[in-house]
Amino acid sequence: TQLLEQSPQFLSIQEGENLTVYCNSSSVFSSLQWYRQEPGEGPVLLVTVVTGGEVKKLKRLTFQFGDARKDSSLHITAAQPGDTGLYLCAGGFPGGSYIPTFGRGTSLIVHP
Amino acid sequence: KAGVTQTPRYLIKTRGQQVTLSCSPISGHRSVSWYQQTPGQGLQFLFEYFSETQRNKGNFPGRFSGRQFSNSRSEMNVSTLELGDSALYLCASSFTGGTGLSNTEAFFGQGTRLTVV
Repeated sequence: TQLLEQSPQFLSIQEGENLTVYCNSSSVFSSLQWYRQEPGEGPVLLVTVVTGGEVKKLKRLTFQFGDARKDSSLHITAAQPGDTGLYLCAGGFPGGSYIPTFGRGTSLIVHP
Repeated sequence: KAGVTQTPRYLIKTRGQQVTLSCSPISGHRSVSWYQQTPGQGLQFLFEYFSETQRNKGNFPGRFSGRQFSNSRSEMNVSTLELGDSALYLCASSFTGGTGLSNTEAFFGQGTRLTVV
């Protein structure tokens, strides 16, 4: 079974701080997605990365895919209360099914 | 274009009853997956349907079943409900038209919050 480990599990910070969350696997991803989920809602796709070393930016969010395509990070600059939510990474693996494997998520709370 | 629609949003059932949840995928998407989400277990994969056929199945008991219609809409059924079935049930649609990054991009509905009492 291919597993995705996300860290930290919980994060509570003040508005304006920076933070980084991580997603790691012992296997190589064919592609990796990051989602954000707000309480009581479904996850919303933020970004997909496919190339080792790839960096994508979405306003204050920076996503990086590891060179070996086994890990990824999400960095948020100057966090805002609207960034509060559960951040999930999900990956596809070569030769696997079309079903993404999800990590357990990082629960982020940004206090005003 | 319209997103993934799940109905109903909220449901309260008693133990032993059965329930049917509905999911309408994004137009053009042929794959529909169902997930159960609980605080303790996170997102757990139930099953996936593609072109009216169950293509993948997670590790859930036979009380959980589903089907997909010719218009790609999908239903999920849970029989003989147990208290532990209380969860947010999420449906995700994907294109999965072949190789490439669209393989595993999933677009989720808002979910159905099921409470079993």
